[in-house]
Amino acid sequence: DAMVIQNPRYQVTQFGKPVTLSCSQTLNHNVMYWYQQKSSQAPKLLFHYYDKDFNNEADTPDNFQSRRPNTSFCFLDIRSPGLGDAAMYLCATSRDLRGGGETQYFGPGTRLLVL
Amino acid sequence: AQSVSQHNHHVILSEAASLELGCNYSYGGTVNLFWYVQYPGQHLQLLLKYFSGDPLVKGIKGFEAEFIKSKFSFNLRKPSVQWSDTAEYFCAVNSDPYNNNDMRFGAGTRLTVKP
Repeated sequence: DAMVIQNPRYQVTQFGKPVTLSCSQTLNHNVMYWYQQKSSQAPKLLFHYYDKDFNNEADTPDNFQSRRPNTSFCFLDIRSPGLGDAAMYLCATSRDLRGGGETQYFGPGTRLLVL
Repeated sequence: AQSVSQHNHHVILSEAASLELGCNYSYGGTVNLFWYVQYPGQHLQLLLKYFSGDPLVKGIKGFEAEFIKSKFSFNLRKPSVQWSDTAEYFCAVNSDPYNNNDMRFGAGTRLTVKP
């Protein structure tokens, strides 16, 4: 059974046109993360939510925003996508934030193409 | 800032060959270490992790990894690979032992096992 679900799996948008990527989880985990992964590169953490507390990575561009309306859902909003934002976007969850050794559970990713 | 290096971008082996994938990190303090695997068309999933205790960690599917603190390494090993091990392998390091929000991934190693 899918535990971390991302929709859509593929998203095509136009340069500058806002786009929203969706993530939902059935694990009831407290923490949800968004990563950006460009081709042949490491997944890069953009931000995470611990419950309703939002934590932005220092080098995440302002163009990227996130919303978490409830425990199950988390959205990634790209306000004005540029060609450089084309990437795979991975959503992950973990049971808790504290402890350092928490396993992260990943969704299948949404591949974003910017035309 | 800490970094994670995976030495090989692409490894090609025949079935039954032994596997060792290198992973080195730059952080000098306490770390938690992970190996994630991504099979073709599937999401990232945890293979094994080191949190504390025995530096030789055994994971699923016959994989193991050894944490060598003096070498800042966490190499992944398997004595005899199978065709089904074809996947991309990511090493990850969390440098914050109290929180889970400083996870850094390596760029990944693609393993191809020939039948």
